[in-house]
Amino acid sequence: QKEVEQNSGPLSVPEGAIASLNCTYSDRGSQSFFWYRQYSGKSPELIMFIYSNGDKEDGRFTAQLNKASQYVSLLIRDSQPSDSATYLCAVIGGGSYIPTFGRGTSLIVHP
Amino acid sequence: DAGITQSPRHKVTETGTPVTLRCHQTENHRYMYWYRQDPGHGLRLIHYSYGVKDTDKGEVSDGYSVSRSKTEDFLLTLESATSSQTSVYFCATVTGSGNEQFFGPGTRLTVL
Repeated sequence: QKEVEQNSGPLSVPEGAIASLNCTYSDRGSQSFFWYRQYSGKSPELIMFIYSNGDKEDGRFTAQLNKASQYVSLLIRDSQPSDSATYLCAVIGGGSYIPTFGRGTSLIVHP
Repeated sequence: DAGITQSPRHKVTETGTPVTLRCHQTENHRYMYWYRQDPGHGLRLIHYSYGVKDTDKGEVSDGYSVSRSKTEDFLLTLESATSSQTSVYFCATVTGSGNEQFFGPGTRLTVL
């Protein structure tokens, strides 16, 4: 069974710091990796996706993928209180349209 | 939000009654999904559809059925609701390239 693991947190960081969120996955055939942000009472929204080993940057967000270690991470630079949310990691295998989600990590950015 | 609406947004019902949740999308996406989200369990796939009349089960399909008679509509039915089906239900679609999955606003269902 495909598994995606995340530390449930909460991860608490001060405003302006770098928040580092981590995710590991079990299926070595996984091809696509996604990070979603979910505010309390709201639906998940996609913030990053990455396919290749290495880093992908978008504004304050950087996704990092290491397929050999089966590890994907999300870095949030200059964290703001508005970044406080649950972050979901999702993984899709090759040729599939069915993502497997982790249970999410709660991030709290305190002023 | 890729033009996804869900109805109703909130529903309270009693054990044993049938319930149908509706998902409507305006983007002509082929794939549609129903998830439930519960504390401690994250998002779990109930059923998905890969085209009109083409559906398949997810990891928590027992007690649920789906139908898709038009590209834009995906219905989730609880034939006889139980308290264990109290949850938040999300519908989602994915772009043709599979890059982005968009979620509807969710339906909060309470089964008494």
